[in-house]
This record gives sequence, structure tokens and C-alpha cells, in this order.
Amino acid sequence: AQKVTQAQTEISVVEKEDVTLDCVYETRDTTYYLFWYKQPPSGELVFLIRRNSFDEQNEISGRYSWNFQKSTSSFNFTITASQVVDSAVYFCALRPGNAGGTSYGKLTFGQGTILTVHP
Amino acid sequence: NAGVMQNPRHLVRRRGQEARLRCSPMKGHSHVYWYRQLPEEGLKFMVYLQKENIIDESGMPKERFSAEFPKEGPSILRIQQVVRGDSAAYFCASSPQELNTEAFFGQGTRLTVV
Repeated sequence: AQKVTQAQTEISVVEKEDVTLDCVYETRDTTYYLFWYKQPPSGELVFLIRRNSFDEQNEISGRYSWNFQKSTSSFNFTITASQVVDSAVYFCALRPGNAGGTSYGKLTFGQGTILTVHP
Repeated sequence: NAGVMQNPRHLVRRRGQEARLRCSPMKGHSHVYWYRQLPEEGLKFMVYLQKENIIDESGMPKERFSAEFPKEGPSILRIQQVVRGDSAAYFCASSPQELNTEAFFGQGTRLTVV
């Protein structure tokens, strides 16, 4: 069975602070994909990143960076110099790398972390 | 190329009524997934469909819920005799036939049962 745990229910920071959102996962699959999604107050899901289990290189995209550590089954997300517009719920998710070649949309989501950035 | 379209965006139903949620996948996508997001929770997988077939309904409640994806037209998630506990956001995602291509999510339908 697959499981994603986001232990931080809510985080509150002041603008320009750096913030890290934790994600720990469990899976028996040798190949899998990890994701982060953002859900702003408007409610839609915004795709942020997908990471293959074979690729442990950290990734940076502007103010966003991701730290994937297979040894600790973690895929943490850091926002540098946070802004008010970063306020949202952030979800970490997991899916098998090869679910019979069909279930590429079947993800297991964490509970989400509510990030509030104060001006 | 329009994204995944869900309608309505907001739906209010009285207890006992039926709710029909529609999802039009992206052009060229033949796989559809439905998720439910209960208040203050993450998304939970409900059902995976291909055209005219239910592939995986392991997350669907056994009663009152059904889903279809006909040869023509949108995918429909149908909830009969709604109860207050059905109030949630329902998201649809679609993906193409090609392997190793991610699913794209719609904006969701927020169902409120009063």
C-alpha cells in the first residue's frame, strides 16, 4: 500500500522568510513518481513538479526547490523568500512508476499543508 | 487546447436529491480519473475510467455513487440521494493513451448538500 504523510498541518510565516514543507512517503514499488501540487484559495490544483524515483538530483525552479532523499523516503519542498501569493494548501502525492501502463492518473495524496504568508 | 473542463463549478443539492458532475477531458485524452476532497483533507482517488469502461473503482463508495465515460460526451459522476457527508470538492483528471504522460486536473466541482 502507498502512503504519503505531510506532518505539518499549518505553517505561518512572514513575507521573505524561507519555508520548508515536509513530505514522507511509503511504497513497496521500486519505481515511482513523486509530485507537489499547489491549491490556492480559488480551489484549483496547480501542478508544481514531478520527480522520478531514479533521479535524486535536487531541483530548483525560481524560488522553489525540492530535496528528494530516497534513503529517508522524503521529498521536501522549500520556498525561498516567501511571498503573500504563496499562501495556499500544498499537497505531496505519489504514484507507481508502472501500474500496468494504465493508471498514470491514480495518485495517493498527503493531507496537505496550509501555508499562510503574512505581509 | 482547452484544459480539463468540469461543470458545474458549484452545485447545491438538498438531501435526497441527485447530483450529476460532468468532466470533459482534454482533447485526445481517453483516461479519466475522479477524486474527492472532503473539507480540510487531501484528495482521495475514487474511480478510473476509459471510454465505455470502468477500469478501477476501488475508491468509490459502494452505494449511491456511480460513474460513466460514454463513447461520446463527458464523463459523469452521479451521486444519488445525497447526504450532508457528500459535501466535498470533486476533481476530475485526464490523461492521454500514451504512457508516461501525467494527468491534468480540472478546476473541480464543489458540491454542497443542504
